[in-house]
Amino acid sequence: NAGVMQNPRHLVRRRGQEARLRCSPMKGHSHVYWYRQLPEEGLKFMVYLQKENIIDESGMPKERFSAEFPKEGPSILRIQQVVRGDSAAYFCASSPQGMGSNQPQHFGDGTRLSIL
Amino acid sequence: QKEVEQNSGPLSVPEGAIASLNCTYSDRGSQSFFWYRQYSGKSPELIMFIYSNGDKEDGRFTAQLNKASQYVSLLIRDSQPSDSATYLCAVKDGTSYGKLTFGQGTILTVHP
Repeated sequence: NAGVMQNPRHLVRRRGQEARLRCSPMKGHSHVYWYRQLPEEGLKFMVYLQKENIIDESGMPKERFSAEFPKEGPSILRIQQVVRGDSAAYFCASSPQGMGSNQPQHFGDGTRLSIL
Repeated sequence: QKEVEQNSGPLSVPEGAIASLNCTYSDRGSQSFFWYRQYSGKSPELIMFIYSNGDKEDGRFTAQLNKASQYVSLLIRDSQPSDSATYLCAVKDGTSYGKLTFGQGTILTVHP
């Protein structure tokens, strides 16, 4: 889907386990955004990252959630000690480097996280 | 709290008709406006974006922006059953680093 690669597509975890979601942006894009879509709700911004930097994490829950975008490799959204309420679709989006804030974001296919 | 409001629908139109989807936003500093289409269980797909007041046309789609009224709309001409989806309005302000604030989405059903 538009070149943004997310994996896994589906992830099942038991309460208390850790979930790791991966995102590789489109080629040439260095801005990565994570969004969460709870069942029957809209998309909510979580965090914005550039390579090796977290730029805006105002939408991230204060505990258990973290994100990174290392110099090499995909961006990772990590959820520790998962709870039932973390069940949602997690989408990653990317936009081009240095193109200004008007550039559209293109979304990956998402990771559907289910907590047993 | 910056808000983006959409009528959740469902909006039902017959095949071949014009579907009109509306969105209002609260932040007057908003600069960029996007429409995404999301099929059930799928990811959002960019349909249109608009930055300036007025109309922008792309094929069967027309986006309309009125910053004074804080209103943006999407018109779909010659609606097809394949257009049946949830349409998400997203707004990006001019001061943030690019995060999008989404509306709840409008469910559109095009019936044959």
